[in-house]
Amino acid sequence: AQSVAQPEDQVNVAEGNPLTVKCTYSVSGNPYLFWYVQYPNRGLQFLLKYITGDNLVKGSYGFEAEFNKSQTSFHLKKPSALVSDSALYFCAVRGLSGYSTLTFGKGTMLLVSP
Amino acid sequence: KAGVTQTPRYLIKTRGQQVTLSCSPISGHRSVSWYQQTPGQGLQFLFEYFSETQRNKGNFPGRFSGRQFSNSRSEMNVSTLELGDSALYLCASSLSGDEQFFGPGTRLTVL
Repeated sequence: AQSVAQPEDQVNVAEGNPLTVKCTYSVSGNPYLFWYVQYPNRGLQFLLKYITGDNLVKGSYGFEAEFNKSQTSFHLKKPSALVSDSALYFCAVRGLSGYSTLTFGKGTMLLVSP
Repeated sequence: KAGVTQTPRYLIKTRGQQVTLSCSPISGHRSVSWYQQTPGQGLQFLFEYFSETQRNKGNFPGRFSGRQFSNSRSEMNVSTLELGDSALYLCASSLSGDEQFFGPGTRLTVL
């Protein structure tokens, strides 16, 4: 069975500082990994994905994620946080079943202070 | 191109009733997945439909069911509602099976 762990319920960072939201995964075979963001009373918005290739993946709104196979991690990063980045972030994994089913982590609330 | 739409956006029901939620995927997307989001359990997969066939199902009781029509629109039904069914129900559509595009969700409150 596949699983995702987001060890931090909340991450606090000051505007302009770099941010990291952590994610580790467990899946059989090579993973398909995703990051989504959710703003209040909204659905999930796709940020980026890792399928294969470069370990550093660039996504929307200046976010990027680093895939580390040996540590089974896929941490989300941004060099300079904005107050508007404050939201709930979800890491997700899809296995090789060929289906679209995503297994999500429990989410990490990112709070960026002015 | 229009995004994923879900109707209704908000719904209030009482225990024992049943409810039907609707999802219209992005044009051309044939895969539709449903997820339940609650504060306690987070995001949990309900089921996925592709070309009118359910091809994957999560660990939910039989009170939860769904279907997909020939135009890829999908509905999910919950019968004999329980208080614990109160949640945000999210629908997502996919073209290639990689990234999923989510709708705004239907907020179901069971009293």
